[in-house]
Amino acid sequence: GNSVTQMEGPVTLSEEAFLTINCTYTATGYPSLFWYVQYPGEGLQLLLKATKADDKGSNKGFEATYRKETTSFHLEKGSVQVSDSAVYFCASIRSGYSTLTFGKGTMLLVSP
Amino acid sequence: EAQVTQNPRYLITVTGKKLTVTCSQNMNHEYMSWYRQDPGLGLRQIYYSMNVEVTDKGDVPEGYKVSRKEKRNFPLILESPSPNQTSLYFCASSPLGAPTGTEAFFGQGTRLTVV
Repeated sequence: GNSVTQMEGPVTLSEEAFLTINCTYTATGYPSLFWYVQYPGEGLQLLLKATKADDKGSNKGFEATYRKETTSFHLEKGSVQVSDSAVYFCASIRSGYSTLTFGKGTMLLVSP
Repeated sequence: EAQVTQNPRYLITVTGKKLTVTCSQNMNHEYMSWYRQDPGLGLRQIYYSMNVEVTDKGDVPEGYKVSRKEKRNFPLILESPSPNQTSLYFCASSPLGAPTGTEAFFGQGTRLTVV
């Protein structure tokens, strides 16, 4: 079946540091891949997505590239801000289906 | 504005007292689902529905019921809540069998405490 594995947190960084959160997936066929973000006290919201191999999703300075050869979708940001402190979820969905498969989430804490 | 609305946001109840958490979406989505979020376990799907009167179990359905009498509403029912159902609950909706990459929309969450 489908599964998503992401690095455990918390990830603690100073402001302006480089961020990488690793995510790998197993899936039948070619899933679409997502990063969702959950700010404190809020629901999940879509951060970025990629629908096919070598696609790069980007938003708010975050990027992730769909790597079919390594089945990965790592989240990166060149310079984090305190306001990026949140829980980040990697997720996949099979084409034509509606059920998301989530990783366990990675908490990011950014200090001034 | 596209929205999934859950109520209540916070709820404290006692063991065995039936409760309902409501969920409503305004995007005419066919697919709706409920998740619970627990530390170290991430998001786990409780139930989902692919359309009116069509519901199915997710990964952790025990102790929960759902109904889908109207397309926009998908309430979560705990007939006899127990302390192990203390959790943060999310409702989500999306188009069914959507074109690749269609996102799901999530409610703000309901924090339930069962004492």
